[in-house]
Amino acid sequence: EDQVTQSPEALRLQEGESSSLNCSYTVSGLRGLFWYRQDPGKGPEFLFTLYSAGEEKEKERLKATLTKKESFLHITAPKPEDSATYLCAVQGETSGSRLTFGEGTQLTVNP
Amino acid sequence: DARVTQTPRHKVTEMGQEVTMRCQPILGHNTVFWYRQTMMQGLELLAYFRNRAPLDDSGMPKDRFSAEMPDATLATLKIQPSEPRDSAVYFCASGLKPGTTYSGNTIYFGEGSWLTVV
Repeated sequence: EDQVTQSPEALRLQEGESSSLNCSYTVSGLRGLFWYRQDPGKGPEFLFTLYSAGEEKEKERLKATLTKKESFLHITAPKPEDSATYLCAVQGETSGSRLTFGEGTQLTVNP
Repeated sequence: DARVTQTPRHKVTEMGQEVTMRCQPILGHNTVFWYRQTMMQGLELLAYFRNRAPLDDSGMPKDRFSAEMPDATLATLKIQPSEPRDSAVYFCASGLKPGTTYSGNTIYFGEGSWLTVV
């Protein structure tokens, strides 16, 4: 059974204070690891897909990295508008198209 | 801008009533998912379809929930009878079968149907 654990549950940063969110996973044959952002009252918004260890992807102040056991979402010089819940999910070779989600990290960036 | 469309956005109903949620997947997507999100459980998969055929509904309480795809542009999730413990946000998502070149394995979510059963 695919499993995803995210840490920390909540993170408060000052504007400009860089940090990282962690996503640890176990999966039978990784097909993809996904990062989503979810704002209150909204659906998850797709950010990145990573397919193999060593892969990195960037988008504005966000960079996602992947190893064989975990993924990190690095946030560089965050702004208040980066405040959201960040969700990590995996898709395994035996799970068809389904995504298994972690509980998320609630990020708050104070001005 | 292609998006998954869900209706209703908000629904308050009395226990025992029937609730139907509808979803229009992104045009061309052949896989449709229903997820439920609560504070306690996070995002959990209820069911998913490929090419309108149900592939997995093991996450769905069979006695009261049913999911269908009458056609490629409409997916429905029905709860009958509804109970207070069904109060949650129900998300529809769509994507393409893994291995296809367009958009990879990514699935895209709608804005959700916020259900309150009193």
